Amino acid sequence: DTAVSQTPKYLVTQMGNDKSIKCEQNLGHDTMYWYKQDSKKFLKIMFSYNNKELIINETVPNRFSPKSPDKAHLNLHINSLELGDSAVYFCASSPTWGGAGPREQYFGPGTRLTVT
Amino acid sequence: AQSVTQLDSQVPVFEEAPVELRCNYSSSVSVYLFWYVQYPNQGLQLLLKYLSGSTLVKGINGFEAEFNKSQTSFHLRKPSVHISDTAEYFCAVSASGGYNKLIFGAGTRLAVHP
Repeated sequence: DTAVSQTPKYLVTQMGNDKSIKCEQNLGHDTMYWYKQDSKKFLKIMFSYNNKELIINETVPNRFSPKSPDKAHLNLHINSLELGDSAVYFCASSPTWGGAGPREQYFGPGTRLTVT
Repeated sequence: AQSVTQLDSQVPVFEEAPVELRCNYSSSVSVYLFWYVQYPNQGLQLLLKYLSGSTLVKGINGFEAEFNKSQTSFHLRKPSVHISDTAEYFCAVSASGGYNKLIFGAGTRLAVHP
């Protein structure tokens, strides 16, 4: 049983298009994240939601809009795609930050987005 | 703000040899430290973490890391590597009260050769 799943796994699209990536977790976690991994493998957090509330919003173009319909799902919609958006996007989830410190994040398999 | 520097972008090593992957961090507040592994075409998996207490932390697959506050380092070690350890390894830091926000290093590619 997949803990954190993402769809699609691969996404090839043209510049200017709008696309969405979906993420679902069945771990019962309260917090979900989106990360971007560029071609040099550098990972950077984009957004985080806790119980459907946005708690982390890094310096990301406003063409990127996350949406959390419930605490098990976090989707990422991207408008007017650009060449520089090509990357692997990872979804992750974790329990809420606890008294002992941060909790382990569980990552999905990634969505490889290629913009041509 | 926090930052993480992984000093080696690639580390080639022969099977059954020991390995050390280096990680230094910078922060003005208390931090928590992590090592994640990414196998080819997969997501990340937690190897180990330091939250508090003993500075020597043991993780999965025979890996361990030592937190050194004075040197602001959290180096990852394994006494004898296997071919299956070939992967990308990421050091990450999370600041106290930081909503579980992970700041990653640039990664170290460990290549184990027979």
